[in-house]
Amino acid sequence: KAGVTQTPRYLIKTRGQQVTLSCSPISGHRSVSWYQQTPGQGLQFLFEYFSETQRNKGNFPGRFSGRQFSNSRSEMNVSTLELGDSALYLCASSLTLPGQGEYEQYFGPGTRLTVT
Amino acid sequence: AQSVTQPDIHITVSEGASLELRCNYSYGATPYLFWYVQSPGQGLQLLLKYFSGDTLVQGIKGFEAEFKRSQSSFNLRKPSVHWSDAAEYFCALRDNTDKLIFGTGTRLQVFP
Repeated sequence: KAGVTQTPRYLIKTRGQQVTLSCSPISGHRSVSWYQQTPGQGLQFLFEYFSETQRNKGNFPGRFSGRQFSNSRSEMNVSTLELGDSALYLCASSLTLPGQGEYEQYFGPGTRLTVT
Repeated sequence: AQSVTQPDIHITVSEGASLELRCNYSYGATPYLFWYVQSPGQGLQLLLKYFSGDTLVQGIKGFEAEFKRSQSSFNLRKPSVHWSDAAEYFCALRDNTDKLIFGTGTRLQVFP
């Protein structure tokens, strides 16, 4: 079974631009979460989607948004990019429903975003 | 507040030596705890998890971890380290809204 896939793997953008990152979960997984990883702040939760609905959101500005499609694929968008948005963006999927005991997340390889 | 602390930023061991990576948590109820490993340029791979029951949990790649409620700890261990174990290791706690709270990570270096 294929793992979580993320596209693109690498991206270079300029300040002020916007960017869209894509995540395809493991087949059958309906929950998708996004995390930002930076050397200074570590791994921070962005948001989680389940059945096309945002279920949970971290402490990020409104420039960060996401959505989930009916096939469970998810996208996240960052508008008006800032230098500080340079990071590895990780997507994770889960088979079980949020709130159920054995809820564990499987991560993709990430998208490395560089803002210049 | 819910949090995860990994006191060791960087650990160096010799190949074949034993390993213990420390993780302490702060959580009001029984925690769901995880250890992940990240190789350079890669995503996170789940090594093992603790939900309930037996406090000693076995994971992949020969790793194990022990949950100690009295010490609020969930330390990761391996009896004999291989050079391929060099990576960054993250302890994580699933909070009461189901999001993962990660520690700052421990970078493991293995000398031949």
